[in-house]
Amino acid sequence: QKEVEQNSGPLSVPEGAIASLNCTYSDRGSQSFFWYRQYSGKSPELIMFIYSNGDKEDGRFTAQLNKASQYVSLLIRDSQPSDSATYLCAGLYNFNKFYFGSGTKLNVKP
Amino acid sequence: GAVVSQHPSRVICKSGTSVKIECRSLDFQATTMFWYRQFPKQSLMLMATSNEGSKATYEQGVEKDKFLINHASLTLSTLTVTSAHPEDSSFYICSALDGGRDTQYFGPGTRLTVL
Repeated sequence: QKEVEQNSGPLSVPEGAIASLNCTYSDRGSQSFFWYRQYSGKSPELIMFIYSNGDKEDGRFTAQLNKASQYVSLLIRDSQPSDSATYLCAGLYNFNKFYFGSGTKLNVKP
Repeated sequence: GAVVSQHPSRVICKSGTSVKIECRSLDFQATTMFWYRQFPKQSLMLMATSNEGSKATYEQGVEKDKFLINHASLTLSTLTVTSAHPEDSSFYICSALDGGRDTQYFGPGTRLTVL
């Protein structure tokens, strides 16, 4: 059973702080990992993906992948109230099968 | 990012009717599309994987005769909820796999309310 696990939260951080979201996965065969953001009542939107060990930065977002420890994280710098949403982690297996975590709810307080 | 459209965005229907939802990838060809359902405050639930030109693969517990999926072209997949009942009311979201990037992009979703 391939699983992706996330802490459901809510994770609360003050505005301007760094929000750290974590995800662990069970299948070492997963090729890539994705972070999606979902606002209440809306569909998920892709933030970024990562497939190599290490860090990948895109604006205020940094994804980190550690294949040895089987975890993926997303750092959000200078958090804004508009970042408040549920963040979904997903792993890609066999090039066409995605496994989603249940999501972590982030609250950024002004 | 890639664009996936979904139509209609919202539908209200009477119990017993059938509803068709369209999902289109607008700027890439998608050999694989996915259909999800999400109830309020719950996680995404994958219903089926749709492959162009072949039968859809349904997840355990999803009735294939109730949720008909057709993936007739590389840019269009449709989900038909047959004989809808109030318990089918949910947020239905499609996504398309951009094989060139191995990345999945979501449509905006369809909110179905069955009276």
